[in-house]
Amino acid sequence: DAKTTQPPSMDCAEGRAANLPCNHSTISGNEYVYWYRQIHSQGPQYIIHGLKNNETNEMASLIITEDRKSSTLILPHATLRDTAVYYCIVRVLEGGATNKLIFGTGTLLAVQP
Amino acid sequence: ETGVTQSPTHLIKTRGQQVTLRCSSQSGHNTVSWYQQALGQGPQFIFQYYREEENGRGNFPPRFSGLQFPNYSSELNVNALELDDSALYLCASSPEPYSNQPQHFGDGTRLSIL
Repeated sequence: DAKTTQPPSMDCAEGRAANLPCNHSTISGNEYVYWYRQIHSQGPQYIIHGLKNNETNEMASLIITEDRKSSTLILPHATLRDTAVYYCIVRVLEGGATNKLIFGTGTLLAVQP
Repeated sequence: ETGVTQSPTHLIKTRGQQVTLRCSSQSGHNTVSWYQQALGQGPQFIFQYYREEENGRGNFPPRFSGLQFPNYSSELNVNALELDDSALYLCASSPEPYSNQPQHFGDGTRLSIL
């Protein structure tokens, strides 16, 4: 089962910031949070990941709470092309070697013109 | 840098047949994972290959099998196809199985079972 919960859908106006929340209350101390998005008929696209510090790259910012039980993905200036399903994932390491991603159902972000 | 490529992009099979899907990993990546994505759902982990051996498996029956080759490319084989096997099959590669570096996905193979 997925270790994260996300709202099923959100709307955002074009040009505004999109803030996508994720709860991961059972996260372990060494587990990273990853964000991917999937545009219709394409494979998931990596966005950003982090452990405990806030992270920023050219696509987005990731804010992780101090207790690490939740995080927020921020798209600073959403465009119509950002319309996609966004997945928040806590990566599971099994036996120290298997690196698998457990996807939930994600959040469908609809950017409105 | 070449990304993850999968072939074919679309495939139609009938129940009981066998299918082979192919994946070329991103340059510099030696670990390949396969996922199945049914319509309207998130991807489900099938298995992972590292050093040409299966390195972890999800809740899929033995008729789902795979291979990894010395150049790190991989195949997913499914025998005795069932209607529920209709899905998007995704391949993802990463530098090492235990690395924190992200997996990068291909655009998948859409498999339809008639």
